[in-house]
Amino acid sequence: EDQLVESGGGLVQPGGSLRLSCAASGFTVSSNYMSWVRRAPGKGLEWVSLIYRVGTTFYADSVKGRFVISRDNSNNTLFLQMNSLRAEDTAVYYCARGPYASGSYPSAFDIWGQGTMVTVSS
Amino acid sequence: DIQMTQSPSSLSASVGDRVTITCRASQSISDYLNWYQQKPGKAPKLLISSASSLQGGVPSRFSGSGSGTDFTLTISSLQPEDFATYFCQQSWTTPITFGQGTRLEVK
Repeated sequence: EDQLVESGGGLVQPGGSLRLSCAASGFTVSSNYMSWVRRAPGKGLEWVSLIYRVGTTFYADSVKGRFVISRDNSNNTLFLQMNSLRAEDTAVYYCARGPYASGSYPSAFDIWGQGTMVTVSS
Repeated sequence: DIQMTQSPSSLSASVGDRVTITCRASQSISDYLNWYQQKPGKAPKLLISSASSLQGGVPSRFSGSGSGTDFTLTISSLQPEDFATYFCQQSWTTPITFGQGTRLEVK
């Protein structure tokens, strides 16, 4: 069964840093498009970042220059390094497979992790 | 950026009702439109991809239609487990964008 498990969330002060991890099983991270999506309290879903199979990365304007998406192919793990955190970054962060088709997988976020909470507050 | 506009933002309905949620894209996205269901404290779940392809394990009471800019999600006969928040999302281009969500509540 294809699965994603996030870790690394927590409470951090404004201006601080945090690194989220997302361990995959059942499929290979480097062979797929992988993303981070967040949902702030009382808000909707917001796409944050995407890494292509070839390693090209994309970011939402709201996090560009502050967040970095990467992966460890040997450990089949996706990361999100979050720097210069702001109160408005407070959210549940999900890693997800997608949003573009790869092999038999659809052009969608078809597998999601359980989410990890990030709270930015002093 | 492509704006995704869902309507209504909230909806009260009863078990057995037929419910339709609409999603409009600010420009044509062909059929690169997906629907998700999210319950409190849980991750979103993909229901329908490519506007009308029902995902495995999703009940057949869910259906999707549309192409270009206008899309609909229909639940033919609401069940108690369907009360949740629903989001549309476009996979046409980056930045990936979601609709603001439709909260489906018990009447």
